Amino acid sequence: DTAVSQTPKYLVTQMGNDKSIKCEQNLGHDTMYWYKQDSKKFLKIMFSYNNKELIINETVPNRFSPKSPDKAHLNLHINSLELGDSAVYFCASSLNQRGYTFGSGTRLTVV
Amino acid sequence: AQSVTQLGSHVSVSEGALVLLRCNYSSSVPPYLFWYVQYPNQGLQLLLKYTSAATLVKGINGFEAEFKKSETSFHLTKPSAHMSDAAEYFCAVSDETGTASKLTFGTGTRLQVTL
Repeated sequence: DTAVSQTPKYLVTQMGNDKSIKCEQNLGHDTMYWYKQDSKKFLKIMFSYNNKELIINETVPNRFSPKSPDKAHLNLHINSLELGDSAVYFCASSLNQRGYTFGSGTRLTVV
Repeated sequence: AQSVTQLGSHVSVSEGALVLLRCNYSSSVPPYLFWYVQYPNQGLQLLLKYTSAATLVKGINGFEAEFKKSETSFHLTKPSAHMSDAAEYFCAVSDETGTASKLTFGTGTRLQVTL
């Protein structure tokens, strides 16, 4: 029943590792997003995909690479993790700009 | 680009008192505005949204917000605070350019409710 689901919920990893976060939505939305929430709770968009096409890429290091195999999935792969990547990452989806649905977040801790 | 400003990073009210969380927007076109709530260690839950219908919008948990174009504001209110309202509240504006739409968030307001 979950509308936007992300896995894993928690991720603890060492510096230099590569990790992925997966996101799936069952709402039939055509646009999906990744947002990053930092330690001060500030939420900032990272990427947006519309019908599997990258639409928004906001000054994010190349170590972050989103991949959208289909409209219902948007994964985030992070290479060479750094301490500063520790944050909560939220996936979201929308059909139009009148409504956005968020996943429950993935708390990434880099040690 | 559209943006929102939340005045007050922390607001403290007594249980039963009025809650007022302020949000001002900047937009060159009629905006779509949202309030989200985030409880500790949880995700973002939509409280209410303004999408150019009625200017007074009612949301969940007794919250409401009024869109005031003349003041470029979309303040969130609740007549009587409950302990369970303690959370982080985010105002957001939907920004659309071509086929790209996105939510731009304010910096958040932490609501504390005291006995």
